[in-house]
Amino acid sequence: DGGITQSPKYLFRKEGQNVTLSCEQNLNHDAMYWYRQDPGQGLRLIYYSQIVNDFQKGDIAEGYSVSREKKESFPLTVTSAQKNPTAFYLCASSPTSGNTGELFFGEGSRLTVL
Amino acid sequence: AQSVAQPEDQVNVAEGNPLTVKCTYSVSGNPYLFWYVQYPNRGLQFLLKYITGDNLVKGSYGFEAEFNKSQTSFHLKKPSALVSDSALYFCAVRARKNSGGYQKVTFGTGTKLQVIP
Repeated sequence: DGGITQSPKYLFRKEGQNVTLSCEQNLNHDAMYWYRQDPGQGLRLIYYSQIVNDFQKGDIAEGYSVSREKKESFPLTVTSAQKNPTAFYLCASSPTSGNTGELFFGEGSRLTVL
Repeated sequence: AQSVAQPEDQVNVAEGNPLTVKCTYSVSGNPYLFWYVQYPNRGLQFLLKYITGDNLVKGSYGFEAEFNKSQTSFHLKKPSALVSDSALYFCAVRARKNSGGYQKVTFGTGTKLQVIP
């Protein structure tokens, strides 16, 4: 089945540790996105990529890093520089041509910093 | 800059009654508007979208939304609520760039819908 797979579903991290969240899609979409979700704040864009080997900062990129070496994959690293990393992280994808904009989401990864 | 407002943090409705979840937007140019639903600890699922044409858009699970350009609104509606409709609902907007392509998607803060048996 086509879709977006995020892993792990739940992750616990000690302060000062980096952690990488995986996002893989087999929808053949060009664009991929990472959002952070906090209660009452909706979804905030961290990074996005519209093509392989290129990505742009979103609204809250500080403390995060990404790579886009393959079309199918867009991993997110939460670094120790992120001051408040406990959140629900959502990966999404969409086509870039002939597309009116709806995003396709993975099931999310919940990160808890202990 | 584009923005979306969902003025109600929570909406309570009795099962079988009609429901409305409100959304207003601000964008330069013609908007593309979306509704998504999220169940606890899950990703967002696309419900429906307005691109152009008929102001009343029908989507999944019996939901519909009405685009009102003069009021810059895109309220989500359903004639008869089900307990299983209880979830978090997000409105989103995206504008077309003059140079082609699309602006980033902007989401509202979400409205929790509680359908009471």
